[in-house]
Amino acid sequence: KAGVTQTPRYLIKTRGQQVTLSCSPISGHRSVSWYQQTPGQGLQFLFEYFSETQRNKGNFPGRFSGRQFSNSRSEMNVSTLELGDSALYLCASRTGLAGADTQYFGPGTRLTVL
Amino acid sequence: AQSVTQLGSHVSVSEGALVLLRCNYSSSVPPYLFWYVQYPNQGLQLLLKYTTGATLVKGINGFEAEFKKSETSFHLTKPSAHMSDAAEYFCAVSEEAAGNKLTFGGGTRVLVKP
Repeated sequence: KAGVTQTPRYLIKTRGQQVTLSCSPISGHRSVSWYQQTPGQGLQFLFEYFSETQRNKGNFPGRFSGRQFSNSRSEMNVSTLELGDSALYLCASRTGLAGADTQYFGPGTRLTVL
Repeated sequence: AQSVTQLGSHVSVSEGALVLLRCNYSSSVPPYLFWYVQYPNQGLQLLLKYTTGATLVKGINGFEAEFKKSETSFHLTKPSAHMSDAAEYFCAVSEEAAGNKLTFGGGTRVLVKP
C-alpha cells in the first residue's frame, strides 16, 4: 500500500505571497492532519480533517487554512506569508479519529519564505 | 492541557551500547503514547505505541518502551545501538480531551559513535 504523499517537496516563496500544499493519504484513510515543524517551536498541530470537515484545530492564525476533498486528499493554504512560516509541513493520515489510531506521516513539504 | 517532556535534546551513545531516551507526560488521564523516529529530510516513522494492555511495548528495529502510570513516563530503550539508529526521536501523546491530536515532545537527537 502506498504511503502518504505530499507535493511539492520543496517550495520557496517571498513574504506576502500565498502557498498551497497538497497531501494524499494512505488509501482507505479518512482522516488527514497537518503539523508544522520548526527548530524553535518543534512539532505543532495545525488542524485535522475527517470526511471533508475540520474536526480539530491548533493555535495558529487564520492565515492558515485547509480543506479536504471527497477522496480524502487534503490541501493546506497559507496566505500573506511571513518569514516565520518557514518550516517543514507534515501531513499525516489515519483510518479514523480514535486516539489509538496510528498517524502515518508523509515526507513533508519544506517551505522557505524569503 | 497535555504536555510531553523529553529529557535531553541530544544523546551520544557508542555503537553496541544501551540507548535510553526519556519521556514524561502530563495528562489528567492515561493517554495513548507513541514514539516516532525522524531521519534527515524525511517524515516521521512510528516505532511503537501504547494503547492498553501490556505496559511493555515492543516496536520495530529492536526498540521497546515501558508505560509507567505512577511515574507518568514512557521511556524508550534499545539494548545495543547501531549506526543506523542515528536520528531524531519524538515522544507523543494523544488524549480524547484534546481531540486525539498528537502532542509532541521537543525531540532527542541521537548520535551513535563507532
